[in-house]
Amino acid sequence: NAGVTQTPKFRILKIGQSMTLQCAQDMNHNYMYWYRQDPGMGLKLIYYSVGAGITDKGEVPNGYNVSRSTTEDFPLRLELAAPSQTSVYFCASKLGGLGTDTQYFGPGTRLTVL
Amino acid sequence: AQKVTQAQTEISVVEKEDVTLDCVYETRDTTYYLFWYKQPPSGELVFLIRRNSFDEQNEISGRYSWNFQKSTSSFNFTITASQVVDSAVYFCALRGNGANNLFFGTGTRLTVIP
Repeated sequence: NAGVTQTPKFRILKIGQSMTLQCAQDMNHNYMYWYRQDPGMGLKLIYYSVGAGITDKGEVPNGYNVSRSTTEDFPLRLELAAPSQTSVYFCASKLGGLGTDTQYFGPGTRLTVL
Repeated sequence: AQKVTQAQTEISVVEKEDVTLDCVYETRDTTYYLFWYKQPPSGELVFLIRRNSFDEQNEISGRYSWNFQKSTSSFNFTITASQVVDSAVYFCALRGNGANNLFFGTGTRLTVIP
């Protein structure tokens, strides 16, 4: 039971570099989400997707891009990394629909931008 | 607007004590959903409970219980006979009706001292 997987677990970037955080789920969930968790804070939504080919912005989308070409995968792209993007990034998914509202989270990716 | 407040930043208890974690929420929706997640030191987010706004019945699951009171907009979480393994950060979250994402509180760090 893989659930929601994220790679890498840790990454250090230099200012201005770019990278893609990978997220995959094997539960055939329609909805997928990217959150960031800053130290001592709750999670804030970056982007989400309600299905393949459909994405939308959350609370804090600036500096990020996403794509959803398949149901399983929802990569998060950082362009021109900045120190303010130092955070722990969580991917989540849920089936969607009545009674299937619970989001299941991946283990997180800890990103440091120096 | 959705908002979740967890006023207790950190709580320490001695093993076997009972402890209550407070959660106060704000929403204009008449239908909404409340959640509790646990984040142990390993960092992943573990789903604990989901509660619909139209179901005010309190819930008990083993040593865990939840008290939902719409009159005070609170959804408090009690751990009975705490154990060291309960040490974690606990997040309360809210999803409004028709919304796709969760709004998280800032979390309460619980430390159970042996």
